[in-house]
Amino acid sequence: QKEVEQDPGPLSVPEGAIVSLNCTYSNSAFQYFMWYRQYSRKGPELLMYTYSSGNKEDGRFTAQVDKSSKYISLFIRDSQPSDSATYLCAMSAAGQGGSEKLVFGKGTKLTVNP
Amino acid sequence: DTGVSQNPRHKITKRGQNVTFRCDPISEHNRLYWYRQTLGQGPEFLTYFQNEAQLEKSRLLSDRFSAERPKGSFSTLEIQRTEQGDSAMYLCASSPGGAVNEKLFFGSGTQLSVL
Repeated sequence: QKEVEQDPGPLSVPEGAIVSLNCTYSNSAFQYFMWYRQYSRKGPELLMYTYSSGNKEDGRFTAQVDKSSKYISLFIRDSQPSDSATYLCAMSAAGQGGSEKLVFGKGTKLTVNP
Repeated sequence: DTGVSQNPRHKITKRGQNVTFRCDPISEHNRLYWYRQTLGQGPEFLTYFQNEAQLEKSRLLSDRFSAERPKGSFSTLEIQRTEQGDSAMYLCASSPGGAVNEKLFFGSGTQLSVL
């Protein structure tokens, strides 16, 4: 079992739809949870960062972490064609005596159609 | 733009050749990371530096790979005797080096093709 599981999609939605992206993980030492957006032939760009369980909202984006279920989500409201990209979840056990590295999911490729 | 800069953007080489990539982090960022990403996969951690000290290396980093960060500024990643399996995007990232590495800023990567 991989440490982080993410459905690679692809996911195609109409403009204005609510998008839900998810990851599950197996390492209970993960404390830091991130979502990155990656456009084709570019490096990942940090979208959302959450420590431990809870919700965080930033504009059209909401990140949720449920540590009891080892499940994290990213919601995108009023999706736009410019949101079309690959979305990567990432996690870290840093500060808990664990590795400083980020462990990434495979990424979900999202297309928002005008 | 003072983001993370990686050179070259693309590298094509023949199997068995040595290649070297360079990464210039965001100025004053103490931490520098190398990741590798293959098609359809997320980035995989290779190694990271705190200033000039290499603090962690992945088992993915075989003895053909070596990374340096002299004087804690730019970093180089060298691959000796390249193999076709080394074909990937090599990503560099930097962070301010706070308590944890929560905010990594990635460069656009170096795409390596080994023929």
